[in-house]
Amino acid sequence: NAGVTQTPKFRILKIGQSMTLQCTQDMNHNYMYWYRQDPGMGLKLIYYSVGAGITDKGEVPNGYNVSRSTTEDFPLRLELAAPSQTSVYFCASRSSVAAAQETQYFGPGTRLLVL
Amino acid sequence: DAKTTQPPSMDCAEGRAANLPCNHSTISGNEYVYWYRQIHSQGPQYIIHGLKNNETNEMASLIITEDRKSSTLILPHATLRDTAVYYCIVRALIKAAGNKLTFGGGTRVLVKP
Repeated sequence: NAGVTQTPKFRILKIGQSMTLQCTQDMNHNYMYWYRQDPGMGLKLIYYSVGAGITDKGEVPNGYNVSRSTTEDFPLRLELAAPSQTSVYFCASRSSVAAAQETQYFGPGTRLLVL
Repeated sequence: DAKTTQPPSMDCAEGRAANLPCNHSTISGNEYVYWYRQIHSQGPQYIIHGLKNNETNEMASLIITEDRKSSTLILPHATLRDTAVYYCIVRALIKAAGNKLTFGGGTRVLVKP
């Protein structure tokens, strides 16, 4: 299993540009999450999904959009990039099985710089 | 989710045990204690979790006090690769939904040779 993969690893955007951050997991997990982490800070939840076709907002959804057409993929869309969106973005997934091992698996992250 | 308090940083000698404390005095009966770590430039990594009994796995041990108001993560033989920020998280085991993880400041652990 590759686990959770994210592309690209690093990207520089100009203000107003748009881009899609890709996230794919091969563990057949129903739940997927997008977090952002600003320098020296903890993670903040942007959006999450409990299954294909179902998404919901997290703590900081403004400026982002998501879709979940398949179980494997959960792309994050930035429509009009702003300097405040400079951050490291992490995608995560977990099983919906109600087992004690309710852990999230994280991807390697995408570093985004908006200039 | 209950709030947690951790020391901002600590050093540890390579090969020695690292004991990382966490206070969670407002923990509820149905809330678990989770530990994750984040090595520089990588995504967070699950370490261990527990409810009230002490737990051990291949990475670490988790000691939870009898009143459950605090816990200690033990890395038995710290290596340089254990240098990371360690997060203590308290949350209920909710089956459904946006069961997000709330990461606080964590403890920055530096393992020295």
